[in-house]
Amino acid sequence: DQQVKQNSPSLSVQEGRISILNCDYTNSMFDYFLWYKKYPAEGPTFLISISSIKDKNEDGRFTVFLNKSAKHLSLHIVPSQPGDSAVYFCAATSRTYKYIFGTGTRLKVLA
Amino acid sequence: NAGVTQTPKFQVLKTGQSMTLQCAQDMNHNSMYWYRQDPGMGLRLIYYSASEGTTDKGEVPNGYNVSRLNKREFSLRLESAAPSQTSVYFCASSPREGVQPQHFGDGTRLSIL
Repeated sequence: DQQVKQNSPSLSVQEGRISILNCDYTNSMFDYFLWYKKYPAEGPTFLISISSIKDKNEDGRFTVFLNKSAKHLSLHIVPSQPGDSAVYFCAATSRTYKYIFGTGTRLKVLA
Repeated sequence: NAGVTQTPKFQVLKTGQSMTLQCAQDMNHNSMYWYRQDPGMGLRLIYYSASEGTTDKGEVPNGYNVSRLNKREFSLRLESAAPSQTSVYFCASSPREGVQPQHFGDGTRLSIL
């Protein structure tokens, strides 16, 4: 029973274009969502988060959108850069210790 | 600024051997966590410690024990390693439990033969 799903295992985008990474969740109790970025042989690093009281949060080139009715969030990276090539995990929580992670999407930005 | 430090980085064990994975954080965080990452499974919580002196089970605690030695250190022990415990183990910390991003170490790659 996967409560947080990232249905695209991989994504390739040209440098300078927009990257859109998607995440779906099933538990309506989730009210805080995060995106982490992971390079090989390193731990995940926090990228951006959004509370369920918002539908959008921006931080530089990164924007997260939340559609509560569809139980869907997405991460937009504009413009994409080769250094953005990594695995991206979304995570969700209902304000407990338990963060439920998706399986990750490997983004490759082509120069 | 070390953040979260995990040791060792790599380890190979034989089935039945025991092993302790070490984790230390220098950010004065209250909460610490152990995850495992397996292909196609994302990160799954093994155990967590909301604060010094407390520990609780996560999603996949069977076969593991933990010790919150002090505020800085949180260790994970495999008493009798099994091949199914071959994984990459990540330790993380956060200022407190709840709605806050976690800071991760670089992982321990554990193979059990």
